[in-house]
Amino acid sequence: DTGVSQDPRHKITKRGQNVTFRCDPISEHNRLYWYRQTLGQGPEFLTYFQNEAQLEKSRLLSDRFSAERPKGSFSTLEIQRTEQGDSAMYLCASSLGGNSDTQYFGPGTRLTVL
Amino acid sequence: DAKTTQPTSMDCAEGRAANLPCNHSTISGNEYVYWYRQIHSQGPQYIIHGLKNNETNEMASLIITEDRKSSTLILPHATLRDTAVYYCIVRELNSGNTPLVFGKGTRLSVIA
Repeated sequence: DTGVSQDPRHKITKRGQNVTFRCDPISEHNRLYWYRQTLGQGPEFLTYFQNEAQLEKSRLLSDRFSAERPKGSFSTLEIQRTEQGDSAMYLCASSLGGNSDTQYFGPGTRLTVL
Repeated sequence: DAKTTQPTSMDCAEGRAANLPCNHSTISGNEYVYWYRQIHSQGPQYIIHGLKNNETNEMASLIITEDRKSSTLILPHATLRDTAVYYCIVRELNSGNTPLVFGKGTRLSVIA
């Protein structure tokens, strides 16, 4: 257990529905990252927060995706109008910052879109 | 794209050392080498990282060649629980907002 928690661990939804995932980072970590991982591939970066500010977004983050970190603590990732191609594991990581900035990952949320 | 090259898969006998190679021939002077592993259906787990010196912790040792173009992760006494996908990643120093860029990693199977 790294101290990063994610909820839910599994989500099954129908195409077209909206889903929201939550990530609670390690308490003193000010950086929070979202990644997506599809079967057989390594995780791919989606977006990154420094405290409450969203500083970087990947081109993978389409307009249907939105992420927030309102108080610089937990973060949510929402997917609107889900598509079957959104089926993946969504991973959250947090880090303290500094020169080496090691990221610690949560267990992930596995999304299945039917 | 990932800046590292790793073998797709490796086997190791239980109790023996597992040596996982990684090529990063285009690494720049301010990039660290990180290793993570991912056990099936879990999030990636941080193992170790280094810049140019060899590093050791309770999980593994990291050997970086003098020219920094390759490295080896060593699990000294592999157990069945070390079966996982191992990712070698290079990442720039002093740029904490740089995401990790994962390749496909090496699938290590530890065999009893």
